[in-house]
Amino acid sequence: EVQVVESGGGLVQPGGSLRLSCAASGFTFSNYEMNWVRQAPGKGLEWVSYISSGSSMIYYADSVKGRFTISRDNAKNSLYLQMNSLRVEDTAIYYCARGSSGSGMDVWGKGTTVTVSS
Amino acid sequence: QSALTQPASVSGSPGQSITISCTGTSSDVGGHNYVSWYQQHPGKAPKLMIFDVSKRPSGVSNRFSGSKSGNTASLTISGLLAEDEADYYCSSYTSSSTLVVFGGGTRLTVL
Repeated sequence: EVQVVESGGGLVQPGGSLRLSCAASGFTFSNYEMNWVRQAPGKGLEWVSYISSGSSMIYYADSVKGRFTISRDNAKNSLYLQMNSLRVEDTAIYYCARGSSGSGMDVWGKGTTVTVSS
Repeated sequence: QSALTQPASVSGSPGQSITISCTGTSSDVGGHNYVSWYQQHPGKAPKLMIFDVSKRPSGVSNRFSGSKSGNTASLTISGLLAEDEADYYCSSYTSSSTLVVFGGGTRLTVL
């Protein structure tokens, strides 16, 4: 079964750090572009970051640029999101999603919840 | 404020057709044929319904169709079913410094 499973969410204080992981299975992970997309409570979807299959191209939303870092380990079939200098407004469900803006994001995980609060 | 503009809500009766619009600019919707649509039921992950403006992934009902005119993309759902009640989001590639933009989402109510 093709799937991605996020982990690493939790409660963190403002200014803190968190590292999210996404484990992929059922497909050749190294062949696919990947994204992180988030959804604040009661709000819409917000694209966060993109990484190409070989990590040569990386993009970020302006809201997280300079604070978040996306990476992947194709040998471990895993995607990561290092989140530093967290703000209250980063509170959201974070989804890992396979694909690109061109072909659409066709595989999504169930998400992991990040809560930034003092 | 979202980069792409969608109506907050639309509604229709079972069997009817509805259309959800998604308005952007020449930097995103109007400049590229990379518009996608996602369906999200409450508490669930989004599901890809349309990509590349009008293509349907395998397994998606042909009641769902997409189109584009100028800077506005549209999702049409024909023969509405109760199970179509959900939030719908459009997304587009953008040639700005970021890569992807989403619309604010549209809540579809099946009356």
